Amino acid sequence: EPEVTQTPSHQVTQMGQEVILRCVPISNHLYFYWYRQILGQKVEFLVSFYNNEISEKSEIFDDQFSVERPDGSNFTLKIRSTKLEDSAMYFCASSVTPLTGNTIYFGEGSWLTVV
Amino acid sequence: DAKTTQPNSMESNEEEPVHLPCNHSTISGTDYIHWYRQLPSQGPEYVIHGLTSNVNNRMASLAIAEDRKSSTLILHRATLRDAAVYYCILRDINTGNQFYFGTGTSLTVIP
Repeated sequence: EPEVTQTPSHQVTQMGQEVILRCVPISNHLYFYWYRQILGQKVEFLVSFYNNEISEKSEIFDDQFSVERPDGSNFTLKIRSTKLEDSAMYFCASSVTPLTGNTIYFGEGSWLTVV
Repeated sequence: DAKTTQPNSMESNEEEPVHLPCNHSTISGTDYIHWYRQLPSQGPEYVIHGLTSNVNNRMASLAIAEDRKSSTLILHRATLRDAAVYYCILRDINTGNQFYFGTGTSLTVIP
């Protein structure tokens, strides 16, 4: 069964460093998403991406964050200067369309620890 | 975003059916009801979704009330692997294409 894959599974970084989290969405999907989950808290929407541009973003997705689809398969989340509060599990997801009846498929997550 | 209400936790015996309720009294006519689950240390996993009619798939059944103000996810025979947090989510056409996760129901399966 096709799946969303994410790398790395775990990353520890020092505060202030840049981090790039990578995702390979399901191949025929056109919409891509990043969510995050701080330990013990809800899964929160960060951003959605379609046709090489951001279609929606939440208040969490500030200027420190950026997303990119550098080639035909990868979808990345960059955090420019990490803060302690960026420590979380980051989930990439994809869907064929954004329609409300459509399913979003999530990856296994990248656990980011900022020290 | 359209809100859902779920019990914080439920328990079930292994191999027994489980009925996980969800209230969504403010649902609008075009909102789909989605159920996801999250096993410990894993990403959310799609379970089932529906609009008006009851739905069945290999994982579960979804029973939707006639007025659509509530729904029930039914696991026909709970296994230890079904222990997870179950999220009932309304996909609101007016708030874009993202999912809003609540706190869900933490299901414990007792051997």
